[in-house]
Amino acid sequence: EAGVAQSPRYKIIEKRQSVAFWCNPISGHATLYWYQQILGQGPKLLIQFQNNGVVDDSQLPKDRFSAERLKGVDSTLKIQPAKLEDSAVYLCASSSDRFDTDTQYFGPGTRLTVL
Amino acid sequence: KQEVTQIPAALSVPEGENLVLNCSFTDSAIYNLQWFRQDPGKGLTSLLLIQSSQREQTSGRLNASLDKSSGRSTLYIAASQPGDSATYLCAVQGGGADGLTFGKGTHLIIQP
Repeated sequence: EAGVAQSPRYKIIEKRQSVAFWCNPISGHATLYWYQQILGQGPKLLIQFQNNGVVDDSQLPKDRFSAERLKGVDSTLKIQPAKLEDSAVYLCASSSDRFDTDTQYFGPGTRLTVL
Repeated sequence: KQEVTQIPAALSVPEGENLVLNCSFTDSAIYNLQWFRQDPGKGLTSLLLIQSSQREQTSGRLNASLDKSSGRSTLYIAASQPGDSATYLCAVQGGGADGLTFGKGTHLIIQP
């Protein structure tokens, strides 16, 4: 089966600009996660969707970050305006709702550099 | 708030050695614990998942143990190979569909 797809793989922008990342989860996976991984750190959960509803966005900086998952499939994460500290890798993951499958499958990530 | 700590932060050993990576977490009320591998410029690959009711899981040369009451897990790698060089991340999940809380990882180098 195809894995989690993300695009773009790399993005360089200037501070105060806007940027958007796209994620396509594994087919049939109802739960989708966005994580932020700053260099030298472990990934940190930003937002979690169950189908097209938000389950947890407690760590999402809502003044500049937004995310949506229309139709419960693809998802877009947006930053507007970007700050220098937003430089990180943004990882998308998905998981099935089946009781016996808890593993989250991760995409390759989008590396964002804010200058 | 759950916190996950991994020790050591970095480790370099000669090929063929057995090694242990450590993970500790502050809140023992977890649903499962997972070990991931991350290669440079790539996403995370799940290695082992231990449910809270289990004590250990094995996959090939990898063995992960879980002591939930003490908030500790270890990842044992037997007969290390240069291809094992990567960053190893430990993560805990509070509920079945919750997001993961990660440690900072152990950067492992296996010298040929």
